[in-house]
Amino acid sequence: KQEVTQIPAALSVPEGENLVLNCSFTDSAIYNLQWFRQDPGKGLTSLLLIQSSQREQTSGRLNASLDKSSGRSTLYIAASQPGDSATYLCAGLVSGAGSYQLTFGKGTKLSVIP
Amino acid sequence: GAGVSQSPRYKVAKRGQDVALRCDPISGHVSLFWYQQALGQGPEFLTYFQNEAQLDKSGLPSDRFFAERPEGSVSTLKIQRTQQEDSAVYLCASSYWTGSYNEQFFGPGTRLTVL
Repeated sequence: KQEVTQIPAALSVPEGENLVLNCSFTDSAIYNLQWFRQDPGKGLTSLLLIQSSQREQTSGRLNASLDKSSGRSTLYIAASQPGDSATYLCAGLVSGAGSYQLTFGKGTKLSVIP
Repeated sequence: GAGVSQSPRYKVAKRGQDVALRCDPISGHVSLFWYQQALGQGPEFLTYFQNEAQLDKSGLPSDRFFAERPEGSVSTLKIQRTQQEDSAVYLCASSYWTGSYNEQFFGPGTRLTVL
């Protein structure tokens, strides 16, 4: 069974710092890896999706990488802002009993201090 | 924008009551997923529909949980005889087609509290 781990569970940084969030997964047979943002009381907002054949994706100040062989993905946030404060979840798409399912980590709660 | 919508946003139920949670996927999306997110945890897969067909219900925690999508658009997740351990946020997601290349788009969720 696929297991996804995110470290650290919480992170606090001063505004303007660059930071890296880590995600590891046990089964390299993932089809893609997705990073989400979740604000308190809200649903999930997709940030970046990396297909299994890709190594990285970039969107604005965000860059996500994927290394299937080592079972790791990272989300790099450049020049952090207070508005980046949220919980960040990574999820691997795996094949299930009759569908493709996302298996999520527990998330990293990010606080960016002004 | 026409994203995934869910209703109600919040639901409080007494233990033993039945509840029904609704999901309106993005128009034209074939695939629909339900996930359960307990406090402090990541979402966990419950069930999957391709159009009106429920192809995977392997994540449903008990036979008290039932989901349907009779016309291939709106879906309802029903929980019978609710228990305190059912308290969670229930998230619905849809994607345009099937297969591994399709991104899932999530709704805001329904927060269920069972007293």
